[in-house]
Amino acid sequence: GNSVTQMEGPVTLSEEAFLTINCTYTATGYPSLFWYVQYPGEGLQLLLKATKADDKGSNKGFEATYRKETTSFHLEKGSVQVSDSAVYFCAQSPAGRRALTFGSGTRLQVQP
Amino acid sequence: GAVVSQHPSRVICKSGTSVKIECRSLDFQATTMFWYRQFPKQSLMLMATSNEGSKATYEQGVEKDKFLINHASLTLSTLTVTSAHPEDSSFYICSASRARELGNEQFFGPGTRLTVL
Repeated sequence: GNSVTQMEGPVTLSEEAFLTINCTYTATGYPSLFWYVQYPGEGLQLLLKATKADDKGSNKGFEATYRKETTSFHLEKGSVQVSDSAVYFCAQSPAGRRALTFGSGTRLQVQP
Repeated sequence: GAVVSQHPSRVICKSGTSVKIECRSLDFQATTMFWYRQFPKQSLMLMATSNEGSKATYEQGVEKDKFLINHASLTLSTLTVTSAHPEDSSFYICSASRARELGNEQFFGPGTRLTVL
């Protein structure tokens, strides 16, 4: 079946540090891949997405590249800010479907 | 644009009662809405997919008689937890997709925390 595995948190970084949150997936076919972010007290928001192999999604300084060969979609940011503190969810949806399968979420805490 | 609301945000009820949770798309029409359940420190688990004007499609292991879903209009879907028990306590989240929009983007509500005593 389809699944998403992401690194456990919490991840604690100092401001301006480099961020990587690992995400791998299992799927039949070629799913679309997503990163969602959940700020405290708010609903999930789409951060970025990629719909085919080698696509790079980017938004707000975050990037992730769809790697078919390693079935990965790792999230990166070169310099994190305190305002990036949130829970980050990696997700996939099979081709032709809208339903999402989520990873367990990774809490990021950025300290000033 | 693309705001989804849920009501209530928090509900506490006694065991055996039924609880209704509303999910509304405030500024767009949603042909499809999704209901998820999230346990503490765990992932969101899809419960069902709801299409306007038709019966919901439930994921394997989700009791459709326990979790009643109605999607009567393009802006409203409701989830009713019938005869709730303590094991139904959880965080319930809905999401909505725009009508005819490509790209599979879903817009999420802020969630409803249900506590069954």
